[in-house]
Amino acid sequence: AQSVTQLDSQVPVFEEAPVELRCNYSSSVSVYLFWYVQYPNQGLQLLLKYLSGSTLVKGINGFEAEFNKSQTSFHLRKPSVHISDTAEYFCAGKRDNQGGKLIFGQGTELSVKP
Amino acid sequence: GAGVSQSPRYKVAKRGQDVALRCDPISGHVSLFWYQQALGQGPEFLTYFQNEAQLDKSGLPSDRFFAERPEGSVSTLKIQRTQQEDSAVYLCASSLVRDPRREQYFGPGTRLTVT
Repeated sequence: AQSVTQLDSQVPVFEEAPVELRCNYSSSVSVYLFWYVQYPNQGLQLLLKYLSGSTLVKGINGFEAEFNKSQTSFHLRKPSVHISDTAEYFCAGKRDNQGGKLIFGQGTELSVKP
Repeated sequence: GAGVSQSPRYKVAKRGQDVALRCDPISGHVSLFWYQQALGQGPEFLTYFQNEAQLDKSGLPSDRFFAERPEGSVSTLKIQRTQQEDSAVYLCASSLVRDPRREQYFGPGTRLTVT
């Protein structure tokens, strides 16, 4: 079965602290991996994507993620968070032969406190 | 340029009513996707169009759900005889080409509440 699992439903963190949002995927969905952010009452915005090549991927707003094939993980990191990073974050994957549909994890609510 | 737009943004329906949700993709985008996002969950795939052809409808939860894109641009998701479990945010996304490596651009969603 295809699946993407986000290991934490909520992550509270203080402003300027580092953060890691964890994502694991099944091998059946591992061809392309993505992280999206969703602000309240808005659609999803792409943060970054892994297609191939370098396993460290840099995205917008200072986020980065590392593709780890042996651990089937694609964790999202930011060295210093801001209040404005408070949002819901979704990890997603898709396969090459399925028309591009995204398989999403359950989401992680990042709450940045002053 | 304009992004993906969806209307209405909010819809309240009484159980048993039919609803129609509209998606206007980015101009020129070939691929169009519908997703359903239940409260506190990640989006789940419903259906996919390439131009006017519906190539995958494996995610539609029942035969009460129907989607169309007759001219290869605007799409409508129709839900007949709505049930309470249909309450969710319905997201539309479009992509320039069919290539799965391409980014999908999401609309703001339509929040459907069935009472």
